[in-house]
Order: sequence, then C-alpha cells, then structure tokens
Amino acid sequence: DVKVTQSSRYLVKRTGEKVFLECVQDMDHENMFWYRQDPGLGLRLIYFSYDVKMKEKGDIPEGYSVSREKKERFSLILESASTNQTSMYLCASGLLNNEQFFGPGTRLTVL
Amino acid sequence: KQEVTQIPAALSVPEGENLVLNCSFTDSAIYNLQWFRQDPGKGLTSLLLIQSSQREQTSGRLNASLDKSSGRSTLYIAASQPGDSATYLCAVDSNYQLIWGAGTKLIIKP
Repeated sequence: DVKVTQSSRYLVKRTGEKVFLECVQDMDHENMFWYRQDPGLGLRLIYFSYDVKMKEKGDIPEGYSVSREKKERFSLILESASTNQTSMYLCASGLLNNEQFFGPGTRLTVL
Repeated sequence: KQEVTQIPAALSVPEGENLVLNCSFTDSAIYNLQWFRQDPGKGLTSLLLIQSSQREQTSGRLNASLDKSSGRSTLYIAASQPGDSATYLCAVDSNYQLIWGAGTKLIIKP
C-alpha cells in the first residue's frame, strides 16, 4: 500500500515563527503536492513538485515556500507564520495524471 | 476555467439504502476523475479513479461512473452502512492539477 506520512498531526506555533511541515512518501512518485483545507473554501493547492528540486506555484503560494531535495520528501515552509495560516495542511503524492494519495494531515494553529 | 460542483452538499439516509452522489464539471478536457472519502479531522482516502477513457469503476459496494460529454460523474453506494458516514469529495485532473468539488457530507442513520 502507498504510504504518505506527515511529520505532525497537530502543531501550535506563534505568530512570526518559521514553521516546517514535512511529508514523506514511499512509492517513488514523481509528483508531490501541498494543499490547505479550510471550512467553506475546500481544498486549495499551495505548491506542487513534479521532480526533485522542481516546484510550481499552485493557487495560493503567498506566504509559503517548498523544498524537494529528495524524491520521497516534500517540505512546506511558512517563513513567518501568521494567524491566517491556521488551517489543515494535506500532503499528497502520485504519478502524472494518475491517482493521488494523501497523508493524514497536519492541523496547524498559529497563535 | 474548470469548475467542479457537488450536489447535494449534505445527505442523510437510513441504513441499508442505496444512494447516489453527484459531481459535475464544466470542462470535459480532463485526464481523470477521482472520488475521495474524508472522515472528520482526518486526511483523504482515495476511493476510485476513473481515467478519461473509462466509463466506470467498481470497488466493493462502490461504483463510480463518468460521462465526459455531459460533464458528470456519479458515485453509487449500495446497501449503505453507518460506517459510510463521511464527506465525499470528487476531483478532476485538469492540466496536471486536481480541481476539487466542495464535497457531500453523508450521514447514514442506524
């Protein structure tokens, strides 16, 4: 079975802190994705990566950056966390134009 | 711009009933359509993937159909059980990104 793991299930940070969310997949997928999910707004794509060291902006990249140094790992970075970044963050991986598999999510609260 | 709509937003049915969830999309140029399930506070579980060349996919009590020309997909759940209670999301793969519906919250009453 495909496994996508995320570093934390719950995270509480202070405004202005630098936050790292990590995602690891074990299926050698080229593509990896970061979404955030908010009530009433659904899932929104933040960034995705189709290869190591490659990244593409999604719909809402502002305030975020990403890093993909190894194929299996895709990190989301909040350079200076703000309260409006309180959300559920979901990582996914998959092959091109094929099924996406999701991790369990990280619920981030920024105080 | 691709838009995905799911109707109804919420559905409550008695246990044992068969039910249909709907998903519509505005642009038929898709690579595939995927149905997911999400339990409260959890991540998404992939249920079924239908490639653009396929008409339907089945997994256990679930059957998903795809009609690209009309921009519609349905998820049929047979003999519903309380454990099927969750939010069901559909997403279309359009231009290398998934475009999401808002989901249907399903409650199965024992």
